[in-house]
Amino acid sequence: GAVVSQHPSRVICKSGTSVKIECRSLDFQATTMFWYRQFPKQSLMLMATSNEGSKATYEQGVEKDKFLINHASLTLSTLTVTSAHPEDSSFYICSAQTSGRANEQFFGPGTRLTVL
Amino acid sequence: SQQGEEDPQALSIQEGENATMNCSYKTSINNLQWYRQNSGRGLVHLILIRSNEREKHSGRLRVTLDTSKKSSSLLITASRAADTASYFCATALNQAGTALIFGKGTTLSVSS
Repeated sequence: GAVVSQHPSRVICKSGTSVKIECRSLDFQATTMFWYRQFPKQSLMLMATSNEGSKATYEQGVEKDKFLINHASLTLSTLTVTSAHPEDSSFYICSAQTSGRANEQFFGPGTRLTVL
Repeated sequence: SQQGEEDPQALSIQEGENATMNCSYKTSINNLQWYRQNSGRGLVHLILIRSNEREKHSGRLRVTLDTSKKSSSLLITASRAADTASYFCATALNQAGTALIFGKGTTLSVSS
């Protein structure tokens, strides 16, 4: 149980385009989802926290207009990187939490974004 | 933001040797977790230790937690080449619904 999927696993896009990454909890309801970003040879940095049905809370330094997060249902959150640039190239990882297991997070496999 | 530091940043050992990685953090926590990440891949959850626990074992892994010093260590015994990966500690705060905060990680290389 507690499986989280991400789609796509890898995406290459041209500079200036927008990319949408999906994060799904497959067998549980995710009341909270988190989005992390990881640059090469670095650790995971929290970008934002999203609760179902409400606006996401962004960490300091993360542009909310550039990284649009939607958490419209208890099993799906999306991250849209708008007008992507090469510096947005990174590994994006989502995680999900359910209200019954509030101190556990279940991680997706990650999405590798490369912006040319 | 990142919760703390790990040391060493990089560790190279021979197969069969033990590897010890340390993690320090800054705030009170509910639990601390260790993850492994192979190059370019997702996270693998290794072990969780709660704030009221001092030591925990899982196979070849031993984790300790010292809340007075706000530090934890991960010991991998009898290392194998397959243990080569990056290892991260992550802390969960006492407030429900908050994200795990990751340390900077230790890159372990085990040569045969």
